[in-house]
Amino acid sequence: AIQMTQSPSSLSASVGDRVTITCRASQGIRNDLDWYQQKPGKAPKLLIYVASSLESGVPSRFSGSGSGTDFTLTISSLQPEDVATYYCLQDYNYPRTFGQGTKVEIK
Amino acid sequence: EVQLVESGGGLVQPGGSLRLSCAASGFILSNYCMSWVRQAPGKGLEWVANINQDGSEKYYVDSVKGRFTISRDNAKNSVFLQMNSPRGEDTAVYYCAREESHYDSSGATKYHLAQWGQGTLVTVSS
Repeated sequence: AIQMTQSPSSLSASVGDRVTITCRASQGIRNDLDWYQQKPGKAPKLLIYVASSLESGVPSRFSGSGSGTDFTLTISSLQPEDVATYYCLQDYNYPRTFGQGTKVEIK
Repeated sequence: EVQLVESGGGLVQPGGSLRLSCAASGFILSNYCMSWVRQAPGKGLEWVANINQDGSEKYYVDSVKGRFTISRDNAKNSVFLQMNSPRGEDTAVYYCAREESHYDSSGATKYHLAQWGQGTLVTVSS
């Protein structure tokens, strides 16, 4: 199975900061990568698919980039409501695999 | 409004069986692939299984192959996960999710998990 490694595991940033989360695949996955946000006690929510396409209704401060093995999720200006854990997911092949998650907190 | 409502969770003994259901509403189920994803307490997300629109193709994570079976009844707007011989490590919240298609950089059709239910908790313990 393809291994997905996220970094960092957690981060603390101030409101308005630019935040970057990376996801690395153990082999090339083209651009077959999604990003999900999960707030405490809630179901995950799709943010980005096919590496850089913003899901409808998701604020434009979220963006994704990358292809092959290295991917990035960027929050251009961190807001209090962005406190959550973020996961990448590869859909290049089965079994699909998630990264271990990145917990984002406000400093 | 698209809704996915999971049910059937609860306490099950190791080696027993449990059937999870996902009731879909607000859309035509037969048009969509569906997945199950789980999350152990305090842990990350793990994709478990998916099924295509007519049930002819199914995929599983290695850890549940031979024990879990995904199925669907489009006429009853439901997707199921039959859990046989569960183990302690299967304890988790189980989410069903509706997949939507897109094209990747090679032109292949791929799927993302666009809509999620609220989950049902399964506890495997004696």
